[in-house]
Amino acid sequence: ETGVTQSPTHLIKTRGQQVTLRCSSQSGHNTVSWYQQALGQGPQFIFQYYREEENGRGNFPPRFSGLQFPNYSSELNVNALELDDSALYLCASGPRLAGTDTQYFGPGTRLTVL
Amino acid sequence: GENVEQHPSTLSVQEGDSAVIKCTYSDSASNYFPWYKQELGKRPQLIIDIRSNVGEKKDQRIAVTLNKTAKHFSLHITETQPEDSAVYFCAANSGGSNYKLTFGKGTLLTVNP
Repeated sequence: ETGVTQSPTHLIKTRGQQVTLRCSSQSGHNTVSWYQQALGQGPQFIFQYYREEENGRGNFPPRFSGLQFPNYSSELNVNALELDDSALYLCASGPRLAGTDTQYFGPGTRLTVL
Repeated sequence: GENVEQHPSTLSVQEGDSAVIKCTYSDSASNYFPWYKQELGKRPQLIIDIRSNVGEKKDQRIAVTLNKTAKHFSLHITETQPEDSAVYFCAANSGGSNYKLTFGKGTLLTVNP
């Protein structure tokens, strides 16, 4: 098991609401990436944070936003929830070292939008 | 952007047989190719990865091969065991290593005792 943790484990929201998901990276890791995994699909890259700044973004609208804190933990915020936002949200942390891209995933937060 | 195709989508083998999963990628600048195993309801677990400066890497029963010219890479599992049953994902990074991984759609591997 990795040292990446996420909270909460499960979450149920209604359409139009806002949600905040949290991630604590593994010790020694200074980057955090967020992924959305729909049922039966591979994870899709949302964005990555390094040194508290967004450093790369996938094809997700601006209502998906995030933060990284000085202790390298991170939050994913989603506004104006839509039914299609129902998915497993995974964060992954890794060390920003030359030539190292390795990322380790947390257990995920299962978000259901009704 | 990067596109990763993965085949087959499902694979059923007998215990002790070998299993091979293949992926192709589109971005010639990609230089890092990890494989993840995801059991039902659990996190994707990194099982092996390869960088573009090598053609093959082995770790016990698991091996990965990379053909940069053809832009494809494969996962080989030998002497399969029932506990190898899971969904396997291949991935490739975007050129320049900005930590964006593009994943394939996954292969459901079933190892029958």
